[in-house]
Amino acid sequence: EDQVTQSPEALRLQEGESSSLNCSYTVSGLRGLFWYRQDPGKGPEFLFTLYSAGEEKEKERLKATLTKKESFLHITAPKPEDSATYLCAVQDNNDMRFGAGTRLTVKP
Amino acid sequence: DVKVTQSSRYLVKRTGEKVFLECVQDMDHENMFWYRQDPGLGLRLIYFSYDVKMKEKGDIPEGYSVSREKKERFSLILESASTNQTSMYLCASSTPGQGVYIQYFGAGTRLSVL
Repeated sequence: EDQVTQSPEALRLQEGESSSLNCSYTVSGLRGLFWYRQDPGKGPEFLFTLYSAGEEKEKERLKATLTKKESFLHITAPKPEDSATYLCAVQDNNDMRFGAGTRLTVKP
Repeated sequence: DVKVTQSSRYLVKRTGEKVFLECVQDMDHENMFWYRQDPGLGLRLIYFSYDVKMKEKGDIPEGYSVSREKKERFSLILESASTNQTSMYLCASSTPGQGVYIQYFGAGTRLSVL
């Protein structure tokens, strides 16, 4: 069965303290891996799509990378406004599977 | 920008009531989805639709039905609401792009069933 596992469940950082979030997956045929940001009480907001191993995408302080088994969302010098839950999703042919998310808190 | 609008942000209903959640998208997307989101469980697919009047069951369709009479509108129906249907409900739409389906979400409806 396809699985998407995100770690850690929660992460607390000081402002400026860089770190990474992990999304590991097991699918029979990856079509795309997606990262979303979700603020409390709101719907997920699309950030990135990665299609194949070795691919990288960047947006402001965020950088997403992809290997054959996992993806990392690197956060460089985070600010308090980066606090949110980050969701990973994997598309396998026609199925989309979401991870449970990593709740990031950045303290000033 | 893609806009997916859910009709209610918060709803409080009583056990046994019939509940309608409405979703409208303005980007002429073929695919629309209903998920529920519960702490620690991530998003779970209830139903999806790839065309008008077409629907497919997702992972947890029991207790729910859907309606898609127009391309832009996808409704989720709780036939007889129960307390275990208290959750955050998210609607999404997508159009295939090179075989990869980027989903765009509405703001969500937080439903409480008492």
